[in-house]
Amino acid sequence: NAGVMQNPRHLVRRRGQEARLRCSPMKGHSHVYWYRQLPEEGLKFMVYLQKENIIDESGMPKERFSAEFPKEGPSILRIQQVVRGDSAAYFCASGRGNTEAFFGQGTRLTVV
Amino acid sequence: GQNIDQPTEMTATEGAIVQINCTYQTSGFNGLFWYQQHAGEAPTFLSYNVLDGLEEKGRFSSFLSRSKGYSYLLLKELQMKDSASYLCAVRDGGATNKLIFGTGTLLAVQP
Repeated sequence: NAGVMQNPRHLVRRRGQEARLRCSPMKGHSHVYWYRQLPEEGLKFMVYLQKENIIDESGMPKERFSAEFPKEGPSILRIQQVVRGDSAAYFCASGRGNTEAFFGQGTRLTVV
Repeated sequence: GQNIDQPTEMTATEGAIVQINCTYQTSGFNGLFWYQQHAGEAPTFLSYNVLDGLEEKGRFSSFLSRSKGYSYLLLKELQMKDSASYLCAVRDGGATNKLIFGTGTLLAVQP
């Protein structure tokens, strides 16, 4: 849905660098979800956030990955010291909690 | 545990009807969603079921049986543009409320 804005659309990072992915939810949505999708695979849940609060991070790798959704500004998914295996499409979705979630266009991360 | 199963691939003919099945076993349940995803694009919402029965929306219908942990998406009057992946997702109830996705069914519509 065009209302959920992700940037950048494409991101290339060298191994060891940091990647920052941004997601601005649809207006009026207070819930943000991050998913990772590898080629030919389904969407894997990573983290679920509300403003200033991480609700569920059970899908986040224990190291190098972090997410935030501050009171002001977009949600950020941060990957430190990227490795080739981090190359994937990262999708953000927003919603109001009990209704459908709308997805952004995704960020394609390529680690070289 | 959380488990959502869909067929990996399906093929159908333009103008025909196709049914994509989804079975699930999740620790909680607060609704089942179907999304369509074209290659390289974002998933787009198709349908939502929280009560048993059939929900119809134009050429697309979705059915849910909570007691059986089963849903299907029915696509009628297939068009070439319907070639895409169809993702079944369950909203995990309770505090988390997150969407858990199956691996998707890749539908190829042939002339």
